[in-house]
Amino acid sequence: DIQMTQSPSSLSASVGERVTITCRASQSIGSFLNWYQQKPGKAPVLLIYLASSLHSGVPSRFSGSGSGTDFTLTISSLRPEDFASYYCQQNYSPPYTFGQGTELEIK
Amino acid sequence: QVQLQESGPGPVKPSGTLSLTCAVSGGSVVTTSRWSWVRQPPGKGLEWIGETHHSGNTNYSPSLKGRVTISVDEVNNQLTLKLTSVTAADTAVYYCARAIPSLDVWGPGTTVIVSS
Repeated sequence: DIQMTQSPSSLSASVGERVTITCRASQSIGSFLNWYQQKPGKAPVLLIYLASSLHSGVPSRFSGSGSGTDFTLTISSLRPEDFASYYCQQNYSPPYTFGQGTELEIK
Repeated sequence: QVQLQESGPGPVKPSGTLSLTCAVSGGSVVTTSRWSWVRQPPGKGLEWIGETHHSGNTNYSPSLKGRVTISVDEVNNQLTLKLTSVTAADTAVYYCARAIPSLDVWGPGTTVIVSS
């Protein structure tokens, strides 16, 4: 199985700040990397697919980059509604594993 | 647009079988898309369970292989998930999702508690 490791596991930030979350794959996955946002009690929502493509309806302050084994999700200027958990997922090879998640909290 | 809704029978006893359905509305389950199940134990992260295509082609997580079956029910336009020999470790919120192959549409999830 391909292991996905996110860092940090938790992050405190303020509204308006720029934040970056990192995801590392245990082997090369090309650009087959997705990012999801999940709020408490709700289903995850797709933000980014193929490492850097913004899903329909997702605000442009979200961006993704990377290829191979190292990927990042960046939120350019945090808004109150962005405080949530974020997960990366590889869909290069089944099982399509998720990272352990990053909890983004208000400072 | 496509919407998904999971449903299940409620609590499941240890060693029993967990059976869930996922109703697909606003579209057909017979498409080029694949369909996935993901679960989330209380207070923990997301775990990919497996996926299927209406052709019958499936992939499962090795950690659940041998216990899990995912299938498409074309007649009722829904997906099904069966997990046998359940234990308390299978207690989780279970989600179905459309895979294109990123998971772009999710159901709201259904909570399954394994308890005697």
